[in-house]
Amino acid sequence: GAGVSQSPRYKVAKRGQDVALRCDPISGHVSLFWYQQALGQGPEFLTYFQNEAQLDKSGLPSDRFFAERPEGSVSTLKIQRTQQEDSAVYLCASSLAGVGPRIKETQYFGPGTRLLVL
Amino acid sequence: DAKTTQPNSMESNEEEPVHLPCNHSTISGTDYIHWYRQLPSQGPEYVIHGLTSNVNNRMASLAIAEDRKSSTLILHRATLRDAAVYYCILRALNTGTASKLTFGTGTRLQVTL
Repeated sequence: GAGVSQSPRYKVAKRGQDVALRCDPISGHVSLFWYQQALGQGPEFLTYFQNEAQLDKSGLPSDRFFAERPEGSVSTLKIQRTQQEDSAVYLCASSLAGVGPRIKETQYFGPGTRLLVL
Repeated sequence: DAKTTQPNSMESNEEEPVHLPCNHSTISGTDYIHWYRQLPSQGPEYVIHGLTSNVNNRMASLAIAEDRKSSTLILHRATLRDAAVYYCILRALNTGTASKLTFGTGTRLQVTL
């Protein structure tokens, strides 16, 4: 079946431009996560949605970063006035998990969007 | 979150077993041990997880020390397609919302012919 898809796969932006990154999670998945991965590092958490509700945005590095999931499926990560330090791979993941006790919440990742800010 | 420690890199010959270690001395009683791996130019993918007992699946085996302060991911016969960064991650059993993954820097596994 279809996995998590992200678009665009590559994005080059000039410093100061706004960018929008799209994530299509696996159909029916309640939870959606965004991560940022700098070169040579492990992914770092940015934000989390349960359906359309953004329940955790503690990892967003600044108020230039904004994420939404208005209908509880597709999500968009927007970065305003991009800076060179925003250059990274942005990963989206989804999982079935909803509210309630869970033992296993496997996250399924997309291929990522590689953002380069010049 | 409790911290994990892994070697930066390891090498293996193809067709040989690989043992990837992970130390997690501050693990709590409700932390599950998860492993994900990230192939080049791809997002991470789930490999295996466990709590106390050793676990096997089609991808790998997970051996957990009796005191749970360390664990080892075992690839029984490494292939070139297993070359990736392997992440050992602790995840608490939640009764609320889904939990984020806290990645370290992982172990980069090189597999050679």
